Amino acid sequence: SQQGEEDPQALSIQEGENATMNCSYKTSINNLQWYRQNSGRGLVHLILIRSNEREKHSGRLRVTLDTSKKSSSLLITASRAADTASYFCATDASGTASKLTFGTGTRLQVTL
Amino acid sequence: KAGVTQTPRYLIKTRGQQVTLSCSPISGHRSVSWYQQTPGQGLQFLFEYFSETQRNKGNFPGRFSGRQFSNSRSEMNVSTLELGDSALYLCASSPGGGRFVTQYFGPGTRLLVL
Repeated sequence: SQQGEEDPQALSIQEGENATMNCSYKTSINNLQWYRQNSGRGLVHLILIRSNEREKHSGRLRVTLDTSKKSSSLLITASRAADTASYFCATDASGTASKLTFGTGTRLQVTL
Repeated sequence: KAGVTQTPRYLIKTRGQQVTLSCSPISGHRSVSWYQQTPGQGLQFLFEYFSETQRNKGNFPGRFSGRQFSNSRSEMNVSTLELGDSALYLCASSPGGGRFVTQYFGPGTRLLVL
């Protein structure tokens, strides 16, 4: 079953703009991860944020985590056409790091 | 290091048949997890193997099984295939320990059941 919802389901922006995706989850977690998936291929790990962290950066990515609201956001700055993909949040909702529970995903389209 | 590899990449089967998918983890990784991705249910955890033992299991029927070999390579088997088993099957590997573990995914095997 899905851990929660991602919002929006789809997002279309122009190159150079920022893209923000939100993820909500239902149970306590140790960590939350974001993955990218291109056209039904494998998942690429983007970033992991621990439950005691509030914000984390990696290149053009910024992730925030609010455990009191059980939500996280992924910000991609200065988007590029190559960022076009589906983005998923995943948590260890079961308490087991290797058993990820995924959100429903946000499909991002970046146009030139 | 080479990434996670999965074979075959595409597979077409008919209802009632069985299928075996293979996953080779990143060298040194001892944990292999399997996920099913469908448009309707999204990404769902099937099971995880660690040191040749099933360590965690998702909510899938017994038709779905797996195993892991001493070199950490893993296979997943689905018996008596149903149309609803059509999906992208992803495997992921990780070192296997700790609470903050990144999983590295393979490219997936796309299974079509006719």
